[in-house]
Amino acid sequence: GNSVTQMEGPVTLSEEAFLTINCTYTATGYPSLFWYVQYPGEGLQLLLKATKADDKGSNKGFEATYRKETTSFHLEKGSVQVSDSAVYFCAPRGYQKVTFGTGTKLQVIP
Amino acid sequence: EAGVAQSPRYKIIEKRQSVAFWCNPISGHATLYWYQQILGQGPKLLIQFQNNGVVDDSQLPKDRFSAERLKGVDSTLKIQPAKLEDSAVYLCASSLEGVDTGELFFGEGSRLTVL
Repeated sequence: GNSVTQMEGPVTLSEEAFLTINCTYTATGYPSLFWYVQYPGEGLQLLLKATKADDKGSNKGFEATYRKETTSFHLEKGSVQVSDSAVYFCAPRGYQKVTFGTGTKLQVIP
Repeated sequence: EAGVAQSPRYKIIEKRQSVAFWCNPISGHATLYWYQQILGQGPKLLIQFQNNGVVDDSQLPKDRFSAERLKGVDSTLKIQPAKLEDSAVYLCASSLEGVDTGELFFGEGSRLTVL
């Protein structure tokens, strides 16, 4: 089955700092890779995705590249904002099965 | 487009009582998921339906949890009897059928507290 190892949080950054949240996975075959975000008091929602090797997903200034050789899908943002404070989940999807990481809580301070 | 609807949003019960959660997925989404999210952890899949058939219920504690999706649309998750460790947020999600490149759409969740 699939498994995900995600960078432990919480991560506390100052506004405009650079963000990296590491994610590595094991999966059968070639999964699609997703990052979901959960803002305070809200449900999970898709942040970005990549469906094949070397694809780059991007949204709201966040990016992640599907690295098949290292089985990784690290999330990055060049300049975080207070509004990015949330919990981020890495989630590979293969053979219709979706596995979620434990989540990384990000807190951005002004 | 209406999103995934869940109810109730909050429920407090005592241990050994029963509780039921309801979910209505996005129209046209054949696949429906129930996840359990314990505080500080990632969502854990309890059961996955495709239309009204079960795809995966390997992590569903079948001695106390049950779920159904009788007409292939809305679904009910029941816990009977509840234990303290069942305190969690129960998330319902839906997606298009058989599409691994597609995203899951989540409801806002039902928060259960077992006293």
